[in-house]
Amino acid sequence: EVVLTQSPATLSLSPGERATLSCRASQSISNYLGWYQQKPGQAPRLLIYDVFNRATGIPARFSGSGSGTDFTLTISSLEPEDLALYYCQQRGNWPFTFGQGTKLEIK
Amino acid sequence: EVQLVESGGGLVQPGGSLRLSCAASGFTFSSYWMSWVRQVSGKGLEWVANIKQDASEEYYGDSVKGRFTISRDNAKNSLYVQMHSLRVEDTAVYYCVAYSGTGGPSEYIQYWGQGTLVTVSS
Repeated sequence: EVVLTQSPATLSLSPGERATLSCRASQSISNYLGWYQQKPGQAPRLLIYDVFNRATGIPARFSGSGSGTDFTLTISSLEPEDLALYYCQQRGNWPFTFGQGTKLEIK
Repeated sequence: EVQLVESGGGLVQPGGSLRLSCAASGFTFSSYWMSWVRQVSGKGLEWVANIKQDASEEYYGDSVKGRFTISRDNAKNSLYVQMHSLRVEDTAVYYCVAYSGTGGPSEYIQYWGQGTLVTVSS
């Protein structure tokens, strides 16, 4: 099973700041890595697919990068509505797996 | 409007059984991979099981293999999971999810239900 390790567990930043979230895989997953955002009381929604592609309707301030085993989600300029849990997920190997999540707090 | 509505959750004793159902509408159910994903206490997502569009392939996570069985009825636009030998660690919100698997973003979860809570406790 591919283990995805996300860091940090919690990130506390102010509006306008840049957020950098990390996801590390226990083995290479090529580019089969996506990111989801889960707001309180809601189901997750897809932000980024296959490392760097934004899903439909996702603002340009969200971007993804990386390859192999190390991946990053960057939010260039935080908005108050970005308060959420962020998960990475790999689809390169079954069972598909998620990271444990990064909680983004807005100061 | 796409809807995935789960039902069947509740409180069950360790070693017991439960069957969850998911009623789908608003999309072509038979064209989508369907899965169950669970979430423990607001964090920690785990992909539980996967079933192909025509039910010809099923996949299970290691933690539920041999205890859970996923199934679907395309005529009824419904997804199911039969859960046996339930353990305390199976306690979670269970989401019914869908993805079409036709490349790009559709290789990731496109639709989520609202979830149903399963609590395994004595």
